[in-house]
Amino acid sequence: KAGVTQTPRYLIKTRGQQVTLSCSPISGHRSVSWYQQTPGQGLQFLFEYFSETQRNKGNFPGRFSGRQFSNSRSEMNVSTLELGDSALYLCASSLIPGSSTDTQYFGPGTRLTVL
Amino acid sequence: AQSVTQLGSHVSVSEGALVLLRCNYSSSVPPYLFWYVQYPNQGLQLLLKYTTGATLVKGINGFEAEFKKSETSFHLTKPSAHMSDAAEYFCAVSVTGNQFYFGTGTSLTVIP
Repeated sequence: KAGVTQTPRYLIKTRGQQVTLSCSPISGHRSVSWYQQTPGQGLQFLFEYFSETQRNKGNFPGRFSGRQFSNSRSEMNVSTLELGDSALYLCASSLIPGSSTDTQYFGPGTRLTVL
Repeated sequence: AQSVTQLGSHVSVSEGALVLLRCNYSSSVPPYLFWYVQYPNQGLQLLLKYTTGATLVKGINGFEAEFKKSETSFHLTKPSAHMSDAAEYFCAVSVTGNQFYFGTGTSLTVIP
């Protein structure tokens, strides 16, 4: 079974631009979560989607948004990019939504660099 | 509120020596605890998890962790370090939904 895939793997943008990242979960998984990873802040939860609905949201500004499609694929968008948005963005999918005992499977991430 | 503290952002061990990575958590309800490993330029891979039952949990690659409620700890150990264990290790806690709280990570270096 294929793992979680994220595209693109690397992205370079300039301040003020917007960016869209894509995540395809493992087949059959319906919950998708997004995380931002930076050296200073570590892994921080962005949001989680299930059945095209955002169920949980972390403490990030409104410039960060996401959505999920009917096939469970998810996208996240960052508008008006800032230098501090440079990070590795990780997507994780899980089989049993709302279950704390379920395992999250992570993709390889998208490395975003903002110049 | 839930939080995770990993003591020691960098740990170095000799090949063949014991690996001990520390994790303490704070949770108002019984937590579910996880250890993940991240190799360079890769995503996170689950090593092991504690949900209920036996407090000593065995994971992949010879790692294990023990849940100690009285100490609010979930330390990760491996009896004998291998060069391939060099990576970043993250402890995480989850209590509701799929929202996980991660520690800041511990970078493990294995010295030949």
